[in-house]
Amino acid sequence: KAGVTQTPRYLIKTRGQQVTLSCSPISGHRSVSWYQQTPGQGLQFLFEYFSETQRNKGNFPGRFSGRQFSNSRSEMNVSTLELGDSALYLCASSLASAGVADTQYFGPGTRLTVL
Amino acid sequence: KQEVTQIPAALSVPEGENLVLNCSFTDSAIYNLQWFRQDPGKGLTSLLLIQSSQREQTSGRLNASLDKSSGRSTLYIAASQPGDSATYLCAVRDQAGTALIFGKGTTLSVSS
Repeated sequence: KAGVTQTPRYLIKTRGQQVTLSCSPISGHRSVSWYQQTPGQGLQFLFEYFSETQRNKGNFPGRFSGRQFSNSRSEMNVSTLELGDSALYLCASSLASAGVADTQYFGPGTRLTVL
Repeated sequence: KQEVTQIPAALSVPEGENLVLNCSFTDSAIYNLQWFRQDPGKGLTSLLLIQSSQREQTSGRLNASLDKSSGRSTLYIAASQPGDSATYLCAVRDQAGTALIFGKGTTLSVSS
């Protein structure tokens, strides 16, 4: 079974631009979560989607948004990029059957550099 | 607010040693706890998941324990190998069962 895939793997943008990252979960997984990883703050939770609905959101500004499609694929968007948005963005999927919190499986991440 | 701490931040050991990585959390009301491994520049690989009602989980040379009342978990690695060199991350699932709250990790280096 294929793992979690994320595209693109690397991105370079300039301040003020916007960016869209994509995540395809493991087949059959209905929950998709997004995390930001930086050297200073470590891994921080952005948001979680289940059956196209956002179930939880971390403490990030409204410039960070996401959505999930009917096939469970998810996208996250960052508008008006700032230098501090440079990070590794990780996507994770899980079965979350009947709402049970089970093992999360992570993708390889998208490395975003903002110049 | 839940906080997760991992000690030590870095650890260097010779090949063959048994070692223990520590994780502590401030709020015992967790859904579960998961240990991950991260290689440089890569994503996270899940190692072990311990539900809040469990005390330990084992997979090969890895054993993880959970003591909710004291807010602690340990990851025991037996007979360490150079291939075990990586950053090990501990994460607790909040009571809502959605977000993972991570520690900063322990970077392990095993020399041959």
